[in-house]
Amino acid sequence: DAGVTQSPTHLIKTRGQQVTLRCSPKSGHDTVSWYQQALGQGPQFIFQYYEEEERQRGNFPDRFSGHQFPNYSSELNVNALLLGDSALYLCASRPFALADRKTGELFFGEGSRLTVL
Amino acid sequence: AQSVTQLGSHVSVSEGALVLLRCNYSSSVPPYLFWYVQYPNQGLQLLLKYTTGATLVKGINGFEAEFKKSETSFHLTKPSAHMSDAAEYFCAVSDRVKGSQGNLIFGKGTKLSVKP
Repeated sequence: DAGVTQSPTHLIKTRGQQVTLRCSPKSGHDTVSWYQQALGQGPQFIFQYYEEEERQRGNFPDRFSGHQFPNYSSELNVNALLLGDSALYLCASRPFALADRKTGELFFGEGSRLTVL
Repeated sequence: AQSVTQLGSHVSVSEGALVLLRCNYSSSVPPYLFWYVQYPNQGLQLLLKYTTGATLVKGINGFEAEFKKSETSFHLTKPSAHMSDAAEYFCAVSDRVKGSQGNLIFGKGTKLSVKP
């Protein structure tokens, strides 16, 4: 049973460029959340997707956008990259079953490390 | 709003010594609490969680944590540290104010070093 998978694992961009990160949730999971983890910090919530819609959003600008597909996979897009966007971007998923999702436990992928030069 | 404070950004112990990582939370509703571990260049792995019931929670790799409502704490302990425990540890609270779809709010993390 594959866990949460993310791609690419590493990428380098320059300021002003755009980036797309991809995530496939764990089997049996339908909700995907994205987190940004800057160096030396804890993960910060970006947004959550459920039923192909953005359901919640953290304190991130509109340059950060996303999408969820019918197969529950998701993309994170960041436009007009800034140096401060350099971070590990983590995708996390949550299961279908109500009893499991009520606890709030998230299952994380290994992340995509973005470096902006 | 919920929040998490981890005391000590870096803790160093000797192999075989007690590990104690501190976490205090703020929540307006009964919290769901979590400890995650992150090894270098990896994602987060769940160590243990508290939802309801027994306040002493046992997790993987010999770790345990105790929920103390009166102290708003959820400290992580392990009786005897192993070299393989060296990692970064994150305490998190579930954002239950937004219902079952709530996400996790993380502390800033504590990096654990284990000396031989």
